[in-house]
Amino acid sequence: DADVTQTPRNRITKTGKRIMLECSQTKGHDRMYWYRQDPGLGLRLIYYSFDVKDINKGEISDGYSVSRQAQAKFSLSLESAIPNQTALYFCATSDHTSGSRNEQFFGPGTRLTVL
Amino acid sequence: AQSVTQLGSHVSVSEGALVLLRCNYSSSVPPYLFWYVQYPNQGLQLLLKYTSAATLVKGINGFEAEFKKSETSFHLTKPSAHMSDAAEYFCAVSYSNYQLIWGAGTKLIIKP
Repeated sequence: DADVTQTPRNRITKTGKRIMLECSQTKGHDRMYWYRQDPGLGLRLIYYSFDVKDINKGEISDGYSVSRQAQAKFSLSLESAIPNQTALYFCATSDHTSGSRNEQFFGPGTRLTVL
Repeated sequence: AQSVTQLGSHVSVSEGALVLLRCNYSSSVPPYLFWYVQYPNQGLQLLLKYTSAATLVKGINGFEAEFKKSETSFHLTKPSAHMSDAAEYFCAVSYSNYQLIWGAGTKLIIKP
């Protein structure tokens, strides 16, 4: 079984719709992250959470919100989707005891298309 | 601002040839360094990491990377490319205790 799962894996939606992407992990890690990947831009951090009560904006948080429902669950919402949010979205986890090593473990990704 | 540069968005090598993917980081402060690989339609998988132990790091699938502080580099190599190595490779750097700074990625193309 995968340690980090994301649902859905693919989603096509229309401009203006609200979308939620979900992430669950069984690794027991306390930290979780949401990234988006665009061709030629690498990964950009949207939000990160150190624990259930600690949520922080990343470099590109505008137009997104998150919820940490439990240590194992971290969801990403697009309140009103727009076409330039079409991208591949990844959830990742890490363990705070890793310190600056910060090795992160990734889910399989959600491919989102906004028409 | 700290940055990571991967030279070449696409690298093409023949099967059996040497693979060299370049990564340079911007800070003089020694960071922690990672190479991740992304196979088509999959998530990112850790290939190898440097965490201030040996400067030559061995990873999975025959890949290795050498940390060179004087050159602020962490290039990824493999002596003999295999068709299954075709993927996108990302270099990432960690200075703080939460953030990874990512390179733009290099797509490795293997020619038969």
